[in-house]
Amino acid sequence: GDSVTQMEGPVTLSEEAFLTINCTYTATGYPSLFWYVQYPGEGLQLLLKATKADDKGSNKGFEATYRKETTSFHLEKGSVQVSDSAVYFCAPLGGGYNKLIFGAGTRLAVHP
Amino acid sequence: NAGVMQNPRHLVRRRGQEARLRCSPMKGHSHVYWYRQLPEEGLKFMVYLQKENIIDESGMPKERFSAEFPKEGPSILRIQQVVRGDSAAYFCASSPGTGDEQYFGPGTRLTVT
Repeated sequence: GDSVTQMEGPVTLSEEAFLTINCTYTATGYPSLFWYVQYPGEGLQLLLKATKADDKGSNKGFEATYRKETTSFHLEKGSVQVSDSAVYFCAPLGGGYNKLIFGAGTRLAVHP
Repeated sequence: NAGVMQNPRHLVRRRGQEARLRCSPMKGHSHVYWYRQLPEEGLKFMVYLQKENIIDESGMPKERFSAEFPKEGPSILRIQQVVRGDSAAYFCASSPGTGDEQYFGPGTRLTVT
C-alpha cells in the first residue's frame, strides 16, 4: 500500500543552519506531493507542494523537488530560524488521489 | 476568507458516552476529509465525504464511528460509546475538488476519561 518514510527526529539545529529533512514514498502512479507543518497545539498548515516530476515547490524559504526516479521529496531550507521549530510532515496524495498519506513527522528544534 | 472551522476544540467524555465533532469547510469547498492523530504520531485518514455522500471510508473503524456531510450544515464525525483508545486529536480538512491540496482545521482534541 501507499506509505511514506521520513527521517527520524528530533532534528536540532542552530539558527541560520542549513536544513534537510528526507522523505521517500511508495505510491501508485505519480501522486501530488505535499509538505505540511504543525506548530504545537495547532492544525496542519500547507507549506509547499509539487504536482509532477521535477516540479519544485517553494514557500517561506523552504524548497522541495519531486524526484520520480528516487520517489523522494526532500525538504530544504538554507537558513533556519527559531520560529521554524515545529513538526514537519511529508505527504503524498494516495489512495485514488483523495487521501493524504502521513508518516510520523520530523520534529525540528532551532535554538538561538 | 475563513479557514476550516472545527468545534469544539476540546471535548471530554466519559467511557460509554457519545462524541460529536463538527467541521465547517472553507467557503467554496465541497470535499471534506477526517483524520485522526494519536500522540506523537502522524495523521491517519479516516473518511472522505462530499455533500450527502461518503466517497471513501476505508480508514474508519467498522463499529461505533460514523460520518456525514449533509446538504446544509457542517460535517459531523460521531463516535458512539467512546473508549479510552479513542482519545486523540481529530482533524478535518477540505478541498475544492478531488486531487487538490487539502486545508486543515485546528482540530478537536478528544479526551476519554
